Amino acid sequence: KAGVTQTPRYLIKTRGQQVTLSCSPISGHRSVSWYQQTPGQGLQFLFEYFSETQRNKGNFPGRFSGRQFSNSRSEMNVSTLELGDSALYLCASSLVSGIIQETQYFGPGTRLLVL
Amino acid sequence: GESVGLHLPTLSVQEGDNSIINCAYSNSASDYFIWYKQESGKGPQFIIDIRSNMDKRQGQRVTVLLNKTVKHLSLQIAATQPGDSAVYFCAENNKAHAGGTSYGKLTFGQGTILTVHP
Repeated sequence: KAGVTQTPRYLIKTRGQQVTLSCSPISGHRSVSWYQQTPGQGLQFLFEYFSETQRNKGNFPGRFSGRQFSNSRSEMNVSTLELGDSALYLCASSLVSGIIQETQYFGPGTRLLVL
Repeated sequence: GESVGLHLPTLSVQEGDNSIINCAYSNSASDYFIWYKQESGKGPQFIIDIRSNMDKRQGQRVTVLLNKTVKHLSLQIAATQPGDSAVYFCAENNKAHAGGTSYGKLTFGQGTILTVHP
């Protein structure tokens, strides 16, 4: 079974621009979570989507948004980029069984550099 | 102000030794815990998980121990190999304050750098 895939793998943008990152979950996984990883803050939860609905959101500004499609693929968007948005953005997918947290499997990440 | 990077704990071992990586968690309501391994340039890789109704779980060469009394989690790696060199993260699933589940949200520890010398 193919793992979680993320595109693009690397991205360079300038301040003020916006960016869209894509994530394809493991086949059959319907929950997709996004995380930001930086040297200063570590791994931080951005949001989670299930059945095209955002069910949970971390403490990030409204410039960070996402969506999920009917095939469970997900995108996240960052508008008005700031230097501090430079990070590794990770997507993780999991099965869903009621309210039980299932194992999250991560993709390789998208490395975003904001200049 | 200038941002300061996390100062990750480090553990250096010789090939063949057993390694123990520790993690303290803060939320007594957490009921699910995972260990991940992250190699340079890659995403976190699942190693082993444990639910709060257990205190020990074993996998291939790895064992996770959970002590809910002191809110402590540990990962034991037997016969550590150079390929085990990586950053290891513990993660917990926090229940929302309202008592519901915290969908899809894992809270990660800062990580521990494991270096295995041949």
